[in-house]
Amino acid sequence: QVQLRESGPGLVKPSETLSLTCTVSGGSIDNHYWSWIRQPAGKGLEWIGRIYNNGNTNYNPSLKSRVTMSVDMSKNQFSLKLTSVTAADAAVYYCARDVIVAGTGDWFDPWGQGILVTISS
Amino acid sequence: DIVMTQSPDSLALSLGERATINCKSSQSVLYSSNNKNYLAWYQQKPGQPPKLLIYWASTRESGVPDRFSGSGSGTDFTLTINSLQAEDVAVYYCQQFYSTFWTFGQGTKVEIK
Repeated sequence: QVQLRESGPGLVKPSETLSLTCTVSGGSIDNHYWSWIRQPAGKGLEWIGRIYNNGNTNYNPSLKSRVTMSVDMSKNQFSLKLTSVTAADAAVYYCARDVIVAGTGDWFDPWGQGILVTISS
Repeated sequence: DIVMTQSPDSLALSLGERATINCKSSQSVLYSSNNKNYLAWYQQKPGQPPKLLIYWASTRESGVPDRFSGSGSGTDFTLTINSLQAEDVAVYYCQQFYSTFWTFGQGTKVEIK
C-alpha cells in the first residue's frame, strides 16, 4: 500500500524559500503524477502543482512564478520549492498521488498526513 | 479557472438522517468523448488529510460505505449520505479534474445535531 510522508522545515521566514520533500513508500514513484496541495488554517484546499517522474510539470497559474517541483527517482521522492513566501503561504502542505486511469482522469489518492508550515520572522 | 461552489457551507442533522451536499461548477466538467464527469468527492475529518470517496462523479472508491453516493452531470452534482453516522462528521469537498488546473469547492461541514 502506497504511503506518502511530507518533510521539511515547519517555520520559514518571510521572503525566503519554502522547501518540502515527499517520500513515497510501498510503491514506485515511476509512471505516476504526484501533486502538492495546501490548506490554510480553517480554509479550503488549493492545488499547487504536479510532477511526473520524467520531470514534466503543471503548476497552478496563480503560483507558477514562484513554484518549482522536482523528482528524485533514486530516493523515491519528489519536492516542492516556493520562493518569496509571505504570511499568505502559511498552510498545511499535502503531497498526494494523482490517479489517472486509461490516460484520463486525475483525482488524488492517497494523501500524505500533511506538514504545517508557518511563515514568521 | 473552473470555479467550484458548494452548498450549503454547513449542515447539522440527526443520526440516521440523509445529508445532501451540492456542488456546482462554473462550466461543464462532462467530457463528451467518453461521457464521463470529471468530478471527485473527498471527506476530511479533523486533523486528517482528505480521503477520496467518489470519482467520475458517481463511482464509489473501494472500501467506502454504500451510504455514500454521488450523482449529477455537467455542472450540477450532489453527494448524498444516507443514514448519517457519527463517524461521518467531517468536511466534504468536491474537486474537478476537467482542466489541467484542478480546483476544489470551498467545503461543506457536516455535523450531528
